[in-house]
Amino acid sequence: DTGVSQDPRHKITKRGQNVTFRCDPISEHNRLYWYRQTLGQGPEFLTYFQNEAQLEKSRLLSDRFSAERPKGSFSTLEIQRTEQGDSAMYLCASSTRTGLIYGYTFGSGTRLTVV
Amino acid sequence: AQSVTQPDIHITVSEGASLELRCNYSYGATPYLFWYVQSPGQGLQLLLKYFSGDTLVQGIKGFEAEFKRSQSSFNLRKPSVHWSDAAEYFCAVVKSYSGGGADGLTFGKGTHLIIQP
Repeated sequence: DTGVSQDPRHKITKRGQNVTFRCDPISEHNRLYWYRQTLGQGPEFLTYFQNEAQLEKSRLLSDRFSAERPKGSFSTLEIQRTEQGDSAMYLCASSTRTGLIYGYTFGSGTRLTVV
Repeated sequence: AQSVTQPDIHITVSEGASLELRCNYSYGATPYLFWYVQSPGQGLQLLLKYFSGDTLVQGIKGFEAEFKRSQSSFNLRKPSVHWSDAAEYFCAVVKSYSGGGADGLTFGKGTHLIIQP
């Protein structure tokens, strides 16, 4: 088990372009979370999946953002028509149902820079 | 809603000195609390967590934290810091509970730890 993997590690894009990030959670983890972290801030919750079902979306997740987890395994986060304010680190985390006991495992993140 | 406050944005400590990072939470019931560390450009690594039992929790890398309900605090401590401890430290509380489990974390804004030689 190699932990939570995120791809790409870095992404530079021009304003207005679409970008997609991928997260591969730990294989036996059925819960998957996306967070956004801007400079000097703590991570902020974006959305949460239990298996393939997206159970909660933060108000931070505007209609330009969409996340999927089609087969309950990997997840993608797409940002359409990127804006400079979207520049941030996007973190993925996964957990089992007992995440309270074993904690949440985070990936290394995808750093997005919108120019 | 749960919230977490880390009052210190930056803390500078000499190598070998003791460390205490403060964390205060706001939550009505017994909270589930975590401390994570983040090195530059990296993801978050779990240091320790509290959800019940002994209020003094031991973690990795020689860190410990004490849960004090009366003060709504969960301060992180280390008796002697090493230069490699320089990083960003985040306190977090479980955001809410549903379906028999939790659905994510609410983080504080972090404390940047600087180690002086």
